[in-house]
Amino acid sequence: ETGVTQTPRHLVMGMTNKKSLKCEQHLGHNAMYWYKQSAKKPLELMFVYNFKEQTENNSVPSRFSPECPNSSHLFLHLHTLQPEDSALYLCASSRISGGAGTDTQYFGPGTRLTVL
Amino acid sequence: GIQVEQSPPDLILQEGANSTLRCNFSDSVNNLQWFHQNPWGQLINLFYIPSGTKQNGRLSATTVATERYSLLYISSSQTTDSGVYFCAVGVNFGNEKLTFGTGTRLTIIP
Repeated sequence: ETGVTQTPRHLVMGMTNKKSLKCEQHLGHNAMYWYKQSAKKPLELMFVYNFKEQTENNSVPSRFSPECPNSSHLFLHLHTLQPEDSALYLCASSRISGGAGTDTQYFGPGTRLTVL
Repeated sequence: GIQVEQSPPDLILQEGANSTLRCNFSDSVNNLQWFHQNPWGQLINLFYIPSGTKQNGRLSATTVATERYSLLYISSSQTTDSGVYFCAVGVNFGNEKLTFGTGTRLTIIP
């Protein structure tokens, strides 16, 4: 499935660096999501965007700053991260994020982030 | 918040065997999904099943909402079934507040 792409696939950064993760979906969806997957912990939803508007912020620290310029692109800007932020960051998209009925999420391959 | 428990945490089976994975949740839900994450990290949605039974090839799932559990059945396991299976639940119908379980790691041995 190449409907959702993420770049870069791997990223190593220092705690003082600023970097960005990019997600692009080619499925015509209107909702996009950022998830964090840490070792030994459940997948955690971070942010949800519907039609470019943020509809969910799951108490994420301000050192993670999302940006959704249009329904096809989603960014996660990173600054002054901590080593405990090292994780796999997954992007997903779906037709919509709310309301009744089935709405399958399609995931990208993820960015493996290591903070030194 | 809602609690999600999956069992068993690890499962090792011979190719061709059948398996049953369980997901228990602590509150009534309107959204329940099963996902498979392959060994390379790719996560794929298997079922959207807040209640009832669905089948897709060798996989099927049943959710008994009144008793707050869901089961994922895998028949005639293949090595490509290896990976981690996650259950995710939500009180809302949509995807905004899904809570994921810690997963069942399935290893299929040739």
